[in-house]
Amino acid sequence: GQQVMQIPQYQHVQEGEDFTTYCNSSTTLSNIQWYKQRPGGHPVFLIQLVKSGEVKKQKRLTFQFGEAKKNSSLHITATQTTDVGTYFCAASGAGNNRKLIWGLGTSLAVNP
Amino acid sequence: DGGITQSPKYLFRKEGQNVTLSCEQNLNHDAMYWYRQDPGQGLRLIYYSQIVNDFQKGDIAEGYSVSREKKESFPLTVTSAQKNPTAFYLCASKLGQSSSYEQYFGPGTRLTVT
Repeated sequence: GQQVMQIPQYQHVQEGEDFTTYCNSSTTLSNIQWYKQRPGGHPVFLIQLVKSGEVKKQKRLTFQFGEAKKNSSLHITATQTTDVGTYFCAASGAGNNRKLIWGLGTSLAVNP
Repeated sequence: DGGITQSPKYLFRKEGQNVTLSCEQNLNHDAMYWYRQDPGQGLRLIYYSQIVNDFQKGDIAEGYSVSREKKESFPLTVTSAQKNPTAFYLCASKLGQSSSYEQYFGPGTRLTVT
């Protein structure tokens, strides 16, 4: 079945360093969503990307959707301890608009 | 105050017992989902429902059952047939059937079976 590969699985950074997580698919995606799950919490929706080459920003977070709509990235500039958590991408394949395919997540730890 | 509620937050059961996890939403969402999350793992889809009185199996439905008799409620029963039931269970809902809608998650239920 369709899969979305998310890398890296874990990342430790010093506070103030940048962080990037990537999601890759072998097939064209209809759209991709990003969620954040704090330790002990539940996933919370961050953003959705739909258009080829789309770039969206939320304060220190930058989200990109590849030109071929097969990959996406989330970049955090100057991480803070509040950024700690697991970041998930969830995508829908072209033609299948019912079910999201979830990446395994990237767990981010930030050392103060 | 709209949202999704799951109860209880922690649940302990003996092996061989069925247990039902509650999920209620007052967002007037059509679609509801049950996921299972194991430590350090992603979300795995157990069951989903796009409309009342209808539901479909997800990727790991064996050992679980659901019902959708009301729009607001989507309870999940973990049966004794589920081999490894200890996990964090998350319920989610979204406005419509399209994947373009964001999913809203409840706080989750941590089930421990010994």
